[in-house]
Amino acid sequence: EPEVTQTPSHQVTQMGQEVILRCVPISNHLYFYWYRQILGQKVEFLVSFYNNEISEKSEIFDDQFSVERPDGSNFTLKIRSTKLEDSAMYFCASGLDRGSPLHFGNGTRLTVT
Amino acid sequence: SQQGEEDPQALSIQEGENATMNCSYKTSINNLQWYRQNSGRGLVHLILIRSNEREKHSGRLRVTLDTSKKSSSLLITASRAADTASYFCATDAGSNTGKLIFGQGTTLQVKP
Repeated sequence: EPEVTQTPSHQVTQMGQEVILRCVPISNHLYFYWYRQILGQKVEFLVSFYNNEISEKSEIFDDQFSVERPDGSNFTLKIRSTKLEDSAMYFCASGLDRGSPLHFGNGTRLTVT
Repeated sequence: SQQGEEDPQALSIQEGENATMNCSYKTSINNLQWYRQNSGRGLVHLILIRSNEREKHSGRLRVTLDTSKKSSSLLITASRAADTASYFCATDAGSNTGKLIFGQGTTLQVKP
């Protein structure tokens, strides 16, 4: 069964550094999302992406964050200057259509020191 | 309270028993979904119920939806140790982008 893949599984970075989290969504899916989950807390929506542009973003998704779909397969989340509070699990998800169930990757654990 | 709040926060039962988790939400929805998360892993979709549906079954799962009370329940019958996980409800909160808003989740432990 097709799956969403995320790399790396664990990223450690120093405060102020830029990180890029990578995702390969399911190939025929059209809707893409990033979520984050701080340890022990709820899964929080960051951004949705459709037709090569952001369709919705949350208050968390400030100017430090950006997303890109540079080719037909990859979907990336960039954090320009990481802060300690950015430490979390970041999940990529994709959906075939609006309202479809989402397929999640296994996440990237980001640790900012 | 926030969109998609689950109750209870934690549930511990014996294998073979039924587990019931509840979810409440605030806004109008197009559908409500339940997901499962094993520790350290991504979320896995379990079941989707549309706003015009009242009940849905999938294997040992039964989901109900009461839009007048803005609440849903997930029943897992004849639980197994492998059902141990966190369970989240999620709503689209009427969004047209397909985004989901997740609740805090219920942590289910099934003891063998």
